[in-house]
Amino acid sequence: AQTVTQSQPEMSVQEAETVTLSCTYDTSESDYYLFWYKQPPSRQMILVIRQEAYKQQNATENRFSVNFQKAAKSFSLKISDSQLGDAAMYFCAYRSANDKIIFGKGTRLHILP
Amino acid sequence: DAMVIQNPRYQVTQFGKPVTLSCSQTLNHNVMYWYQQKSSQAPKLLFHYYDKDFNNEADTPDNFQSRRPNTSFCFLDIRSPGLGDAAMYLCATSRYAVGSNIQYFGAGTRLSVL
Repeated sequence: AQTVTQSQPEMSVQEAETVTLSCTYDTSESDYYLFWYKQPPSRQMILVIRQEAYKQQNATENRFSVNFQKAAKSFSLKISDSQLGDAAMYFCAYRSANDKIIFGKGTRLHILP
Repeated sequence: DAMVIQNPRYQVTQFGKPVTLSCSQTLNHNVMYWYQQKSSQAPKLLFHYYDKDFNNEADTPDNFQSRRPNTSFCFLDIRSPGLGDAAMYLCATSRYAVGSNIQYFGAGTRLSVL
């Protein structure tokens, strides 16, 4: 069975600085998708970025980018120029071949003004 | 502009009193999911519908049931809520296709059991 591990329950970063959230996963599948979802307090979960495992190029969405290391089964999220609105719970997620999404336990990100 | 709408946002019920949570979508997605999320934990998939095909997770208690009368609506029924069922319940949708399956989430319904 696939597992997703986020080893940082909470992190803090100064506004305008860069922060990296870690995620590792375990799978025997060769083709899969990885996601980072953001869940702000009392608001709905939204997709931040996704990565197809067959693509070697790291995905980028504006200030958000990933470092995807397939051999190491690592999928970290880098947030550049952190903003107050980035404060949220961030979930790393894996989409399995049977179309289910497995979430990590989340990292709560605090932005310090 | 909300695409996945959950009602109500907050629901209070009594121990053992049946409760129904609803979810509707304007995305015309063929897959709908129900997750349970307890405080500071990851969402846990309860079940999902692929069109009208119901797929229950092996560890979802029998106390939880679901209905999907049409593409747009999906309901979560908790037949006899216990204190341990107090949680946020998230509905999500996706369009199943090879190379896709981004899930779109509703804002959730927070259930309290007294």
